[in-house]
Amino acid sequence: QKEVEQDPGPLSVPEGAIVSLNCTYSNSAFQYFMWYRQYSRKGPELLMYTYSSGNKEDGRFTAQVDKSSKYISLFIRDSQPSDSATYLCAMTPLKDTGRRALTFGSGTRLQVQP
Amino acid sequence: NAGVMQNPRHLVRRRGQEARLRCSPMKGHSHVYWYRQLPEEGLKFMVYLQKENIIDESGMPKERFSAEFPKEGPSILRIQQVVRGDSAAYFCASSPKDRNNEQFFGPGTRLTVL
Repeated sequence: QKEVEQDPGPLSVPEGAIVSLNCTYSNSAFQYFMWYRQYSRKGPELLMYTYSSGNKEDGRFTAQVDKSSKYISLFIRDSQPSDSATYLCAMTPLKDTGRRALTFGSGTRLQVQP
Repeated sequence: NAGVMQNPRHLVRRRGQEARLRCSPMKGHSHVYWYRQLPEEGLKFMVYLQKENIIDESGMPKERFSAEFPKEGPSILRIQQVVRGDSAAYFCASSPKDRNNEQFFGPGTRLTVL
């Protein structure tokens, strides 16, 4: 079983839709949670970064963390064709453990149809 | 403010040759990470370095792979005697000293082994 599970998609939505992307994880040591966007043949771009449980909003993006369920989500409001990309969740344990390696999900491919 | 720089962007090697991948972190970042992305797979952590120190190499294959981050100059990921299975995208990320869970990625080097 992978430490981080993510539905690979593809997820196809019409322009303007609300998109929900999700990851589940098994390692309770994870405390920092990130979402990256990766366009084809490009490097991952950091979108959102949250610590522990709760919500964080940034423009059209909202990140949610539910540590009791080991479940994280990224919501995209008013989706645009330019949002078409692969979305990767990533997580890492507490800083004091000394570990800095990010553990990634395999990514969900999103297609926003104009 | 330049982002993480990697070169070359594309590298073709024949089996048995050596591959050298370079990474210059963002200005002000002192921590460097290398990840590998195999086709249709997520990113896998390889190694975490600070200047002149390897901090965590738990993701590095035991043979043929090495990494360094000298006092001056870029970080280097070196793969000796490449095999076809080494064909992948290799990404470098960097983070500032005080926020080292926020990792910013470069555009990657795509290695093809013939």
